[in-house]
Amino acid sequence: KNQVEQSPQSLIILEGKNCTLQCNYTVSPFSNLRWYKQDTGRGPVSLTIMTFSENTKSNGRYTATLDADTKQSSLHITASQLSDSASYICVVSAPNAGNMLTFGGGTRLMVKP
Amino acid sequence: DAGVIQSPRHEVTEMGQEVTLRCKPISGHDYLFWYRQTMMRGLELLIYFNNNVPIDDSGMPEDRFSAKMPNASFSTLKIQPSEPRDSAVYFCASSPTADSQETQYFGPGTRLLVL
Repeated sequence: KNQVEQSPQSLIILEGKNCTLQCNYTVSPFSNLRWYKQDTGRGPVSLTIMTFSENTKSNGRYTATLDADTKQSSLHITASQLSDSASYICVVSAPNAGNMLTFGGGTRLMVKP
Repeated sequence: DAGVIQSPRHEVTEMGQEVTLRCKPISGHDYLFWYRQTMMRGLELLIYFNNNVPIDDSGMPEDRFSAKMPNASFSTLKIQPSEPRDSAVYFCASSPTADSQETQYFGPGTRLLVL
């Protein structure tokens, strides 16, 4: 069964610090990998999307990396802000699967002042 | 565009009652998805539509759940009869195409509590 595993489950950091979230997947074949941010009480919002041929993708202070050989991805947040407090969900899709996605369980990040 | 619209935002009901959740996708999007999110299981795809036609409903938990899309701008997810274990946040999402590069746009969700 295709799976997406994320770590850590939760993380607390101080404002201004950097952090890295991890995602391991077994989806094969693999089409692309996305990172979503979900604020409390709201729907997920797409941060980045990478195909198997891309190694890195940035969106402001968010940088995602992808190693398709080891089936690992990371999301690095630089100079964290209080508004970064949210759940971050790794999502993987397979080719020829339409738009069907496999979701990770998410990492809950809390940024404290 | 107002984005994906869902109603109600919160629903509290008693076990055995019928619950209807509503979704208006982004205009022009051909694909509509219903998801359920719980602490234990995370986000799960229930069913998705293409041009108003259900394509895959393998994620629908049981016969108590049904979904319809009578036109391109409206979809419903119905639970009858509801049970406490149905308590979750239900999200509707839409996307323009089935291209795997395409982003799915999520609505704000309906938080359902079945007592």
